Amino acid sequence: QSVLTQPPSVSGAPGQRISISCTGNSSNIGAGYAVHWYQQLPGTAPKVLIHGNTNRPSGVPERFSGSKSGTSASLAITGLQAEDEADYYCQSYDSSLSGVVFGGGTKLTVL
Amino acid sequence: QVQLVQSGVDVKKPGASVKVSCKASGYVFSSFGITWVRQAPGQGLEWMGWISAHNGNTNYAQKLQGRVTMTADTYTSTAYMELRSLTSDDTAIYYCARALVVADWFDAWGQGTPVTVSS
Repeated sequence: QSVLTQPPSVSGAPGQRISISCTGNSSNIGAGYAVHWYQQLPGTAPKVLIHGNTNRPSGVPERFSGSKSGTSASLAITGLQAEDEADYYCQSYDSSLSGVVFGGGTKLTVL
Repeated sequence: QVQLVQSGVDVKKPGASVKVSCKASGYVFSSFGITWVRQAPGQGLEWMGWISAHNGNTNYAQKLQGRVTMTADTYTSTAYMELRSLTSDDTAIYYCARALVVADWFDAWGQGTPVTVSS
C-alpha cells in the first residue's frame, strides 16, 4: 500500500487528453511538500516529467502539465501519442515518515 | 552532461550483503546528494534513502534502517549503497539518482543495477 494513491491504469486514444491523479494527506502533499512526476518506459530508468508541482524540465514537451490542490496533485497529458505509453509515478516528501514517498504508479495505455 | 553509471548485475544468496556503486560525472559531485530507489519485479518505485555528497549526512527509509548504509567518496565521485541480511524480497533493480536535498526531485538517474537474491 503506497502512501500516495494513484489509479492503477488509465487509457486514451491518440490525440485525446488524459489525467492521472495522486492523492496524499496532511503529512505530505497537504503539508505543502512539492509533487514531482516521472515517466518510466519499459525496461528503462524513470525520467522526470514535472518537478515542483508544475515545472517542466527542458526537453519535456508542453503536452505534459502538472497541478496541485490541497492534498492532491494531477498530471495531464494532451494530444496523446503512442510513445506516451508508459508507467507514471508521483513523488513527494512525508513529514511523519521523514522520507520520500512514491505513488503506486499508473500504467498508461494508448488505444 | 550529467551521468550516473552504476555497477553491474549481481546475484547473492540469502543472508549475504550487496554493495552497489554509482559513479557520477558532468557536475560537481559534492554539490548534490544521491538518492537510492529500488523496484522489485513488476512493482513500483520504493525510496531507500539519500546521502549528501557534501558532508555524508544520510536519511534512510524507516523500513530499511539498520540494514542499509549509504556512503559517498568525493575523491572518486562515487556513491555506494550497501544492503545487508538479504532475503528474496530484496530482489530488485536498484537505481541511484541525483537530488539536491532529500525532498527534492531526481533530475538524473543511473541505468539501474539488477540484484537477485536466490539460494
